[in-house]
Amino acid sequence: GAVVSQHPSWVICKSGTSVKIECRSLDFQATTMFWYRQFPKQSLMLMATSNEGSKATYEQGVEKDKFLINHASLTLSTLTVTSAHPEDSSFYICSASRTGPETQYFGPGTRLLVL
Amino acid sequence: KQEVTQIPAALSVPEGENLVLNCSFTDSAIYNLQWFRQDPGKGLTSLLLIQSSQREQTSGRLNASLDKSSGRSTLYIAASQPGDSATYLCAVPGGTSGSRLTFGEGTQLTVNP
Repeated sequence: GAVVSQHPSWVICKSGTSVKIECRSLDFQATTMFWYRQFPKQSLMLMATSNEGSKATYEQGVEKDKFLINHASLTLSTLTVTSAHPEDSSFYICSASRTGPETQYFGPGTRLLVL
Repeated sequence: KQEVTQIPAALSVPEGENLVLNCSFTDSAIYNLQWFRQDPGKGLTSLLLIQSSQREQTSGRLNASLDKSSGRSTLYIAASQPGDSATYLCAVPGGTSGSRLTFGEGTQLTVNP
């Protein structure tokens, strides 16, 4: 149990376009979902925390108008990178937890390459 | 602000060797500590979670210890195998809800046949 999927697994897009990444909890209801970004040879950095039905909480330095997060249901959260630029190229990983300070279950990640 | 440090950054060992990975954190008020494995280009696999009240957790050839007072955790891998080659990350939760994870930079392990 506790499987999290991401779609797509990789995406290549042109600079200036928008890209949507989906994160789904397949066999449990996730009240909280998290979005991380990982640059090559670096660790994961939390971008934002989203609770179902409410606005996401963004970490300092993360532009909320550029990285739009929607957590409309207990099994789905989406991250939209708007007007993507080459510096947004990264590995994006989501995670989900049921409630409170509990284990987060991680998705397999989405690799974004902006040309 | 919680900071997590992992030493060494990279480690290369021959197959069969026992090894220890280190993780330290600056704020000892943690709910738990978690060790993950990440293969190249992949997501994270949870290996062990130690609650703040526990001293250690074991799973197969893996043993993780936690010393909250000193802000340290170790991951011990016994009889290493080439399949253990990966990056190992430790993470601690923080924030008001205790759910926001702070990760270390990771230790890149290579086990040579």
